[in-house]
Amino acid sequence: AQRVTQPEKLLSVFKGAPVELKCNYSYSGSPELFWYVQYSRQRLQLLLRHISRESIKGFTADLNKGETSFHLKKPFAQEEDSAMYYCALSGRGSYIPTFGRGTSLIVHP
Amino acid sequence: NAGVTQTPKFQVLKTGQSMTLQCAQDMNHNSMYWYRQDPGMGLRLIYYSASEGTTDKGEVPNGYNVSRLNKREFSLRLESAAPSQTSVYFCASSAGQGSSYNSPLHFGNGTRLTVT
Repeated sequence: AQRVTQPEKLLSVFKGAPVELKCNYSYSGSPELFWYVQYSRQRLQLLLRHISRESIKGFTADLNKGETSFHLKKPFAQEEDSAMYYCALSGRGSYIPTFGRGTSLIVHP
Repeated sequence: NAGVTQTPKFQVLKTGQSMTLQCAQDMNHNSMYWYRQDPGMGLRLIYYSASEGTTDKGEVPNGYNVSRLNKREFSLRLESAAPSQTSVYFCASSAGQGSSYNSPLHFGNGTRLTVT
């Protein structure tokens, strides 16, 4: 069975502070990890995926197979980063993604 | 190119009433999904359709039915609504299982359903 754990329901930081949203997963096969973001009153949208190895809106995430983690990081948070963030996992054996419970990020001015 | 379109945006039902949530995508995607989003529970899969003509249960299918009408459309029906079905419902689509990597999901705007 595949499982995604986001341990923090809420993360509150001040503008300019570093941000790390944690994501741990459990999957026996070869995982594919995604981060989705939902801004207020908008639809969920893909933020980034591990195979892309790119930085989107200043966010990066590295897949650490040893620690089974895919934490989302940004060195300097902006107010417009305030949103709900979901980590998701799919695999070669099951392409249907499993989502974590989400972390609400609030960036204070 | 509208992406994934859901209707209605809001709905209030009384216990026992029925309704159908509509979803359509114009990206020629093979797979479509229905999720519900509840505070503290994240996104939970209700039903999915890997391809036209097939549907399968997800994590929380009880109380729901689905129809993959054609490649574009995937509807979700509540036959007898219950207060526990008060939630925000999201339809999504994806190209499905790829030869190299799985494709990401594209979501609709959501339907906020209240059952009293």
